[in-house]
Amino acid sequence: EPEVTQTPSHQVTQMGQEVILRCVPISNHLYFYWYRQILGQKVEFLVSFYNNEISEKSEIFDDQFSVERPDGSNFTLKIRSTKLEDSAMYFCASMGDPYGRMNTEAFFGQGTRLTVV
Amino acid sequence: AQSVTQPDIHITVSEGASLELRCNYSYGATPYLFWYVQSPGQGLQLLLKYFSGDTLVQGIKGFEAEFKRSQSSFNLRKPSVHWSDAAEYFCAVGYTDKLIFGTGTRLQVFP
Repeated sequence: EPEVTQTPSHQVTQMGQEVILRCVPISNHLYFYWYRQILGQKVEFLVSFYNNEISEKSEIFDDQFSVERPDGSNFTLKIRSTKLEDSAMYFCASMGDPYGRMNTEAFFGQGTRLTVV
Repeated sequence: AQSVTQPDIHITVSEGASLELRCNYSYGATPYLFWYVQSPGQGLQLLLKYFSGDTLVQGIKGFEAEFKRSQSSFNLRKPSVHWSDAAEYFCAVGYTDKLIFGTGTRLQVFP
């Protein structure tokens, strides 16, 4: 069964450092997402990406965040200068519907736990 | 604004008992509704989804959910809970091309 894979599973970084979280979406999917879950809180939308550009982003996704699809398979989230409050589980997701309609399933990766110290 | 409310933060049931997890949504149009489950240290797995048609939808692992437009609800049910169902459950509404999640309900199952 196809799956979304994320690496690393856990990353510890010092405050102010740059981190890159990596995701390999399902190969024929067209929409890609990052979500964030601060410990004990709900899953929050960060950004959606389609056709090599951001289609929507939340207010959480400020200038410190960026996404990229550097090749045909990877989808990355970069945090330029991490803050303590960036500590969270970050989930990548992908969806196959070409129109981004929500009547198809978004497949989630296992997540990357980011700890900023 | 679109939102999802899960009023129960934590529910405890005995194994074999029935279960109902509540979800209410706020959305201007016909919603796309989802239930996801998250086991400890795991990602999000889709249990079931509602788009249109029959308001009672069946999902995996013996779960079902009923869409009630008049109550803006999409409650998740299971007739007999197993210990392996202990997890965090998230209700979500699809809005444009993204999901808006509720705060989650943690289910604890006692033997």
